[in-house]
Amino acid sequence: DSGVTQTPKHLITATGQRVTLRCSPRSGDLSVYWYQQSLDQGLQFLIQYYNGEERAKGNILERFSAQQFPDLHSELNLSSLELGDSALYFCASSVRRAETYEQYFGPGTRLTVT
Amino acid sequence: AQKITQTQPGMFVQEKEAVTLDCTYDTSDQSYGLFWYKQPSSGEMIFLIYQGSYDEQNATEGRYSLNFQKARKSANLVISASQLGDSAMYFCAMRDMTTDSWGKFQFGAGTQVVVTP
Repeated sequence: DSGVTQTPKHLITATGQRVTLRCSPRSGDLSVYWYQQSLDQGLQFLIQYYNGEERAKGNILERFSAQQFPDLHSELNLSSLELGDSALYFCASSVRRAETYEQYFGPGTRLTVT
Repeated sequence: AQKITQTQPGMFVQEKEAVTLDCTYDTSDQSYGLFWYKQPSSGEMIFLIYQGSYDEQNATEGRYSLNFQKARKSANLVISASQLGDSAMYFCAMRDMTTDSWGKFQFGAGTQVVVTP
C-alpha cells in the first residue's frame, strides 16, 4: 500500500458526460501528479500540483482540468468525455527529499466511456 | 525534449536467473533523475529504484540494480535472482531536475517480464 488513495476505483459513463476523480496523497506529501495510462498512448503525464499550485503541465487536454485543495487532496475533472478517454488514471504523490523526488502511485481509477 | 526508449516489449526469464531490462534516454538537461517502476497485473505502479545524473555510483535496492552509463545515455535495470512475483510490466522514467520543470516525468513504453519456473 503506497499510502495514496484514489476514488472511485472504477467508473463507467457515457460520451459527453463529466466525471471527477479524486486523489489523497500520502501524509506529508505536497506534490500530486496525474497520469493517464492507455494501451495506445502508454503512461502520459497530465499535470502536477505542488502545495495547491500548478507546477507542471504535460499532455493534458483542454477538456480536462485539475486542482489541489488546501488539505492537499486533488481532483481531476474530465468533461465532454469521448470514447478515447477510456483509460486508467493514476494519481501519484511525492515529497521533496534529497534529490530523488520519487513518486508513489495510487491504485488508479479505471474509466470506461461507452 | 526528453525521450525514453525501452526496446524490449517482452522478456521471458527463468526463476533464479538475472535479467537486464534496457532503457535509453535522450535529454539535453545536465541534471536529471532516472527511475524504474514495476506494474504487476493488479495495476498499481511500484517505485523500484532511482539514479541521479550526478551520482557516480550505480544505484542498488535489494535485488534491483541500475546500470547507469551516462555517456551512452542508458539506465538499464538488472533484477537478480528472479522470482515468480517479479512477473510484471517494468517502466523506465526520467524527470529533469531544473527548477521550472521538475514536475515533468516521462515514461518509456514498458517491458513485460514473465518469470517461468
